[in-house]
Amino acid sequence: AQSVSQHNHHVILSEAASLELGCNYSYGGTVNLFWYVQYPGQHLQLLLKYFSGDPLVKGIKGFEAEFIKSKFSFNLRKPSVQWSDTAEYFCAVNSYNTDKLIFGTGTRLQVFP
Amino acid sequence: SQTIHQWPATLVQPVGSPLSLECTVEGTSNPNLYWYRQAAGRGLQLLFYSVGIGQISSEVPQNLSASRPQDRQFILSSKKLLLSDSGFYLCAWSRTSGNQETQYFGPGTRLLVL
Repeated sequence: AQSVSQHNHHVILSEAASLELGCNYSYGGTVNLFWYVQYPGQHLQLLLKYFSGDPLVKGIKGFEAEFIKSKFSFNLRKPSVQWSDTAEYFCAVNSYNTDKLIFGTGTRLQVFP
Repeated sequence: SQTIHQWPATLVQPVGSPLSLECTVEGTSNPNLYWYRQAAGRGLQLLFYSVGIGQISSEVPQNLSASRPQDRQFILSSKKLLLSDSGFYLCAWSRTSGNQETQYFGPGTRLLVL
């Protein structure tokens, strides 16, 4: 069965620090990959997605993620975080032969000014 | 543009009472619809999904059921709530485009069972 692992459960950073959140999945076939973000009190929003092509994907608000197929990873990065990036971040995967989206347990990011 | 609504936003119900949560989507037709439960530290768990009117797939055995009486309406129900049903319930929609599908989420309903 597919699974998604987010090893960082809680990350605390100061503004301007660089961010990398880990995401690993287990599935041997072709996958679609997503990062969603949930700001305090707001909807779960799509941050970025990878379907095919360039494995380096750029999303909203300066975020990017790199798909490394050999490592089954899709880590999220941002070179310089802001206080407004404080949120919970979820990695998600679905395979080509299913509509079902499998989520990681989420990473809570706190950014202090 | 497409929008997704969930009603109510919050709900406090006694154990043993019935439940009905509603999700509606605007601006699209024949969407795939999903119900998730989000628990702290456990991510999102898919409860039900539907690819069309009257078509419901259940992912986990539980005290809940789902129905899709109209193309853009998805309802989550229970006949008798349990304490363990407390949580944050999210509805999502998607439109399949080949093998590429993106899900978009509603604002959620926070349910507290006392």
